[in-house]
Amino acid sequence: DVKVTQSSRYLVKRTGEKVFLECVQDMDHENMFWYRQDPGLGLRLIYFSYDVKMKEKGDIPEGYSVSREKKERFSLILESASTNQTSMYLCASSLGQVGDTQYFGPGTRLTVL
Amino acid sequence: AQKITQTQPGMFVQEKEAVTLDCTYDTSDPSYGLFWYKQPSSGEMIFLIYQGSYDQQNATEGRYSLNFQKARKSANLVISASQLGDSAMYFCAMREGYSSASKIIFGSGTRLSIRP
Repeated sequence: DVKVTQSSRYLVKRTGEKVFLECVQDMDHENMFWYRQDPGLGLRLIYFSYDVKMKEKGDIPEGYSVSREKKERFSLILESASTNQTSMYLCASSLGQVGDTQYFGPGTRLTVL
Repeated sequence: AQKITQTQPGMFVQEKEAVTLDCTYDTSDPSYGLFWYKQPSSGEMIFLIYQGSYDQQNATEGRYSLNFQKARKSANLVISASQLGDSAMYFCAMREGYSSASKIIFGSGTRLSIRP
């Protein structure tokens, strides 16, 4: 079974702090994704990566950056956390073949005070 | 323009009844894929079913089936014989194109509640 893990289930940070959210997958997947989920808005793509050291902006990249130094690990960075970044953050990975699905981690609920 | 539309924010269904969750999509790409995910209260997104735009038959996975009507651009999820454990948020999603780096776009979700 595919396993996608995220470093924290719950996180509380203060405005202005630098925040790192870590995601690790154990199935040698090419693609990795970061989403945020807010009520009534579904999942919105922040960034994705289709290879090591490669990254692409999603629909809402402002205020975020990412890092993919190793194939299995994809980090989301909030350079200076703000209260409007309080949300559920979901990481996903996929093999990168036609018709493949994304496998999701359990999510990190981030609260910025 | 919204590409994935789920018009039912919430639904209540009696246990053992069948339920249909609506999803319409908008794309001009002839190659696309449609997905349904389930998100229980634990938060994890669980893949349920996939339909490719060129698939001739509607996809089925156990109690889940996808009612794919290409001309109407709809991809409704049908759950037969609903169970209490089916209570969750359900998301419809679409990938345009078959590139390995294609994004998946999600709808806003439908919260399904099963009554005993």
